[in-house]
Amino acid sequence: AQKITQTQPGMFVQEKEAVTLDCTYDTSDPSYGLFWYKQPSSGEMIFLIYQGSYDQQNATEGRYSLNFQKARKSANLVISASQLGDSAMYFCAMRGTLNAGGTSYGKLTFGQGTILTVHP
Amino acid sequence: KAGVTQTPRYLIKTRGQQVTLSCSPISGHRSVSWYQQTPGQGLQFLFEYFSETQRNKGNFPGRFSGRQFSNSRSEMNVSTLELGDSALYLCASSLAVGRHTQYFGPGTRLTVL
Repeated sequence: AQKITQTQPGMFVQEKEAVTLDCTYDTSDPSYGLFWYKQPSSGEMIFLIYQGSYDQQNATEGRYSLNFQKARKSANLVISASQLGDSAMYFCAMRGTLNAGGTSYGKLTFGQGTILTVHP
Repeated sequence: KAGVTQTPRYLIKTRGQQVTLSCSPISGHRSVSWYQQTPGQGLQFLFEYFSETQRNKGNFPGRFSGRQFSNSRSEMNVSTLELGDSALYLCASSLAVGRHTQYFGPGTRLTVL
């Protein structure tokens, strides 16, 4: 079974500052992918960044980077230079393979989310 | 390229009725997944389809069903609606099953009275 834990129900950050959103996971799958999504108040889920469990480098996408620490089972999202438009709910998600051959996949499992508020 | 589209965007039904939600994936995507989002339970996986076959299924009662057509469009049906079925239903598409990124539609907000 997979489990994603986001321990911060809400976070506040000043505009132009960096913020880290925490995500820890638990899985016994041989390999897995980690995702972060943003959900503004409009409801649509927006894909931000992906990290594979065997990727050597931490993923980066513009102002987003993923601080992946495999031994600690954490996949924190770092947003640099926060903008007012970053205010939203952020979800960490994981999907693992069910077999060593990587041909069978489980479902995409989401954490409970963190509400980020960016202050001017 | 157009994103994932879902229809209708809003729906109001009464208990006992049934409802069908539709999802059109991004062109070229062959996998479609459905999720239910509620304030209390968060995002919960319903089912995933690829090439018209259900590949994964979540822990929902049999009242929830889905299907995928040959053009990859998908429909989700909920029969005998209950108050607790009120939720945002999100559809996501990806190139295939696996670690491919899922891209979400705007969702259908269902209210059951």
